[in-house]
Amino acid sequence: AQSVTQLDSHVSVSEGTPVLLRCNYSSSYSPSLFWYVQHPNKGLQLLLKYTSAATLVKGINGFEAEFKKSETSFHLTKPSAHMSDAAEYFCVGNSGYALNFGKGTSLLVTP
Amino acid sequence: DAGITQSPRYKITETGRQVTLMCHQTWSHSYMFWYRQDLGHGLRLIYYSAAADITDKGEVPDGYVVSRSKTENFPLTLESATRSQTSVYFCASNLAGPTDTQYFGPGTRLTVL
Repeated sequence: AQSVTQLDSHVSVSEGTPVLLRCNYSSSYSPSLFWYVQHPNKGLQLLLKYTSAATLVKGINGFEAEFKKSETSFHLTKPSAHMSDAAEYFCVGNSGYALNFGKGTSLLVTP
Repeated sequence: DAGITQSPRYKITETGRQVTLMCHQTWSHSYMFWYRQDLGHGLRLIYYSAAADITDKGEVPDGYVVSRSKTENFPLTLESATRSQTSVYFCASNLAGPTDTQYFGPGTRLTVL
């Protein structure tokens, strides 16, 4: 099974500064990894997905994530935060029959 | 283009009552999933279905029943609701199963008093 650990439950950044949300995975085989975003009182939306085609994955809204096998990490980044990026972010792995969600990182963006 | 819908969006019920949460998708996706979301736990899989009449348990199935007589519908029933089932429930669907992108409904907020 592919488990994921999100290293920060809350991250606060200023508008216009870079965003880094950290995720480590554990797997004995090549994983499928995802980042989903959940805005307040909304469902979840896929940001990006890694499936071994490329280690740097570009997603929607300027987000990207880099798969680093040596570090077992799949951190999510964005060069410049926007107020609309404030949301809950979930790193997700494939557990064999369904998705295995991390506990989430709440991103706060301050003016 | 309705996509995936859930009803009701909000529900308050009492301990011991039966409650059914509905999920409907218009994409003819083969797979459908039910998750619950609780603070500090992220989303946890309750049940999933690979096709009509094929369902299987997820991580937290106790106290829940599902059925899938039609591809587009995947109702979740709490046979005798308990306070611990107070949660936000999300339905999701996709074409190709666990390694494929899942598309989520807007959620149902259930409160059991």
